[in-house]
Amino acid sequence: AQKVTQAQTEISVVEKEDVTLDCVYETRDTTYYLFWYKQPPSGELVFLIRRNSFDEQNEISGRYSWNFQKSTSSFNFTITASQVVDSAVYFCALSSFRNTPLVFGKGTRLSVIA
Amino acid sequence: DAGVIQSPRHEVTEMGQEVTLRCKPISGHDYLFWYRQTMMRGLELLIYFNNNVPIDDSGMPEDRFSAKMPNASFSTLKIQPSEPRDSAVYFCASSLGLVIISEQFFGPGTRLTVL
Repeated sequence: AQKVTQAQTEISVVEKEDVTLDCVYETRDTTYYLFWYKQPPSGELVFLIRRNSFDEQNEISGRYSWNFQKSTSSFNFTITASQVVDSAVYFCALSSFRNTPLVFGKGTRLSVIA
Repeated sequence: DAGVIQSPRHEVTEMGQEVTLRCKPISGHDYLFWYRQTMMRGLELLIYFNNNVPIDDSGMPEDRFSAKMPNASFSTLKIQPSEPRDSAVYFCASSLGLVIISEQFFGPGTRLTVL
């Protein structure tokens, strides 16, 4: 069975603080993809990143960075110098060749306070 | 491209009424997904289509829910009869190819309230 766990339900930080959102996944497949989506207050789901199971290199995009560790089945997301506009619900998701659709975690609600 | 289009954006109805949610996927995309989002259960996949054919509807809650995709540019999700517990945000998404190799684009969602 495939499962994504985001243990942090809600996080609140002060602007300019760094924050890490945790994601732990379960799958028996060796080939899979991991995703992060952002859902701002407006409600739409915005794609942030997709990583495949064979690429464990960390990725940085501006203030966003992702740490993928197969040894711990984790795909954590860090926002550096958080801003109020980062306030949103962030979802981690998993997909594999044997399970086409995305399996989502329950999401982490991030509130960045000015 | 216009993105995934969903209508209506908001729907308020009374228990027992039929509700139809509509989705127009991105042109050329061959996969279409219907999700439901609630506070309690998060994002749940209800059903998905490939080339207009339903592939997996195991997420459909019960027989009151049905989905169709009569052509590549249109899909509906119908609830009949609706119940208060169906209140949720329903998302439609589409992708070109399997999700593992292609980004899944989401529509803005339909917020359904059943009184």
